[in-house]
Amino acid sequence: SFELTQPLSVSVALGQTARIPCGGSNIGSKDVHWYQQQPGQAPVLVIYRNTNRPSGIPERFSGSNSANTATLTISRAQVGDEADYYCHVWAGNIEVFGGGTTLTVL
Amino acid sequence: QVQLVQSGGGLVKPGGSLRLSCAASGNVFGEYFMSWIRQAPGKGLEWIAHISSGGSTIDYADSMKGRFTISRDNANQLLFLEMNSLRVEDTAVYYCARGGAFDIWGQGTMVTVSS
Repeated sequence: SFELTQPLSVSVALGQTARIPCGGSNIGSKDVHWYQQQPGQAPVLVIYRNTNRPSGIPERFSGSNSANTATLTISRAQVGDEADYYCHVWAGNIEVFGGGTTLTVL
Repeated sequence: QVQLVQSGGGLVKPGGSLRLSCAASGNVFGEYFMSWIRQAPGKGLEWIAHISSGGSTIDYADSMKGRFTISRDNANQLLFLEMNSLRVEDTAVYYCARGGAFDIWGQGTMVTVSS
């Protein structure tokens, strides 16, 4: 079965750039989606099909995907960006989530 | 604006059954794949199943096969999850979500399996 690997936590200084990786075998050949989940709330789609932002998502959020790693990049990190982030792919006939990364803004 | 409103969660004893519902507003429900996803307390997201727009394609996570059944009623814009033989480890918040990229989520409904 296909697996996605994320670090448990990532820290970033206020106003700096955070990068959250999502590893998977040849993930660059798949479409990766990213979700932000604030405590006690449903997840929100922040990047779809690797690089696309839904309406209402700030331009500070961007995505890339190549080889064995997809990356969510958050520029000019704000306190409000503190949340759990999950990557997701469709792998054949199943959907797979990464284990999630908690972003801390210092 | 399309919304997904969930109902049907609650407390159930081990071995019991529960049916979750997800009602969509707007007129495009029948055009999208729909999924159920759950999140155990303090844990990550776990995909359960999805169903194609017309209902002809259904897939389940291996760990959910046999006990969970996904279905939909496009005429009434409803998505369902039938859960049988529930176990303590099925305790979680259950979400419905739209599409291949889950662009819209329900508010979540808590299912607690406990004696």
